Amino acid sequence: DADVTQTPRNRITKTGKRIMLECSQTKGHDRMYWYRQDPGLGLRLIYYSFDVKDINKGEISDGYSVSRQAQAKFSLSLESAIPNQTALYFCATSDLGGTEGYTFGSGTRLTVV
Amino acid sequence: DAKTTQPTSMDCAEGRAANLPCNHSTISGNEYVYWYRQIHSQGPQYIIHGLKNNETNEMASLIITEDRKSSTLILPHATLRDTAVYYCIVRVLNAGNMLTFGGGTRLMVKP
Repeated sequence: DADVTQTPRNRITKTGKRIMLECSQTKGHDRMYWYRQDPGLGLRLIYYSFDVKDINKGEISDGYSVSRQAQAKFSLSLESAIPNQTALYFCATSDLGGTEGYTFGSGTRLTVV
Repeated sequence: DAKTTQPTSMDCAEGRAANLPCNHSTISGNEYVYWYRQIHSQGPQYIIHGLKNNETNEMASLIITEDRKSSTLILPHATLRDTAVYYCIVRVLNAGNMLTFGGGTRLMVKP
């Protein structure tokens, strides 16, 4: 099994719908992140969490919300999806010391029509 | 985090060493150099990181200049599967701030 698992892998949804992207990890890391990638561009941070009781906004949090249900689970929600949220979404984890680098999931390709 | 500058793209012949440069002239004394790569539409993959000494692991070697203003990632025997975008990132270890991905270098390994 992958260290960081994202579901679904692909999703097409309609404008205005609520959608949740899920992430679970088996690394035992405290820190988890959600990134977004648009075609040809680098990754941009949406939200991050340093532990179960900690939630922080990243550079592009508008239109998104997150929930850290447990150390191993971090979900991203689009309350009312819009077409410009069409992108590739990645979840990542890191250990407290940062010595292992970040471990990324395989991504969720979301299309909002 | 210090800003990094990388070439937009590079080519390398299969079996040859791929040398990917990164300039980080404003790096601070407590900032590490990290390298990640992203194979087409997959999640980025951690490769290596270092502070000032050269580092080597099973994937690559990292050479950091003595003044720490630049570094080179070396893939000793590039294969077609090493075709990817390579990101050089400078940040403080255990920083409260996050990884920031710039444009990276698109490495094309050719047969």
